[in-house]
Amino acid sequence: EVVLTQSPGTLSLSPGERATLSCRASQSVRNSYLAWYQQKPGQAPRLLIYGASSRATGIPDRFSGSGSGTEFTLTISRLEPEDFAVYYCQQYGSLPWTFGQGAKVEIK
Amino acid sequence: QVQLQESGPGLVKPSETLSLTCIVSGYSISSGYYWGWIRQPPGKGLEWIGHMRHRGASYSNPALKSRVSISLDTSKNQFSLNLNSVTAADTAVYYCARTYCDAASCPPNDYWGQGTLVTVSS
Repeated sequence: EVVLTQSPGTLSLSPGERATLSCRASQSVRNSYLAWYQQKPGQAPRLLIYGASSRATGIPDRFSGSGSGTEFTLTISRLEPEDFAVYYCQQYGSLPWTFGQGAKVEIK
Repeated sequence: QVQLQESGPGLVKPSETLSLTCIVSGYSISSGYYWGWIRQPPGKGLEWIGHMRHRGASYSNPALKSRVSISLDTSKNQFSLNLNSVTAADTAVYYCARTYCDAASCPPNDYWGQGTLVTVSS
């Protein structure tokens, strides 16, 4: 099973700042099938990025993904108030699909 | 617009079977996508349970030790989850989702239900 480790666990930033979240895989993610989700309290996760770097439908271009192999990054170029949430990475290149433990972006 | 809605009991006794249904609107579940379940224990992260597709294979998380069964009812455009021999560790919010397709560059988990909390307790 591919274990995903996200860092940092919590990121404290101000609106307008840049957020960089990391996701490291225990083995290479096949075809870079790595996705990122945003989850707000009481809501279902929302798909942001898939295939490591493709934005899902309706996702603002301040969200971008990069990486390959075992190292992946989600970048939010300028944080908006609605971006403060928990973010999860997920690999879907091999079974079982697995998620990272989550990373919280909080208001500083 | 694709919409998913979970339904089922919010309380299940230990050792019994957890059964949930996901009603899909705005898209036919027989049209090539995989449909599945993801859960989230209170205050914790996400866990993939499994998924299947119409006239296709079914896949589930081996961590659940074959307690999982997923089925599709195309006549009602809905799919179901059965998880047997539940314990308190199965207490979680259960989400249904349109999980995947076989085409290149297919986005995973692009539509979700709102989630339903299932508590395992006597």
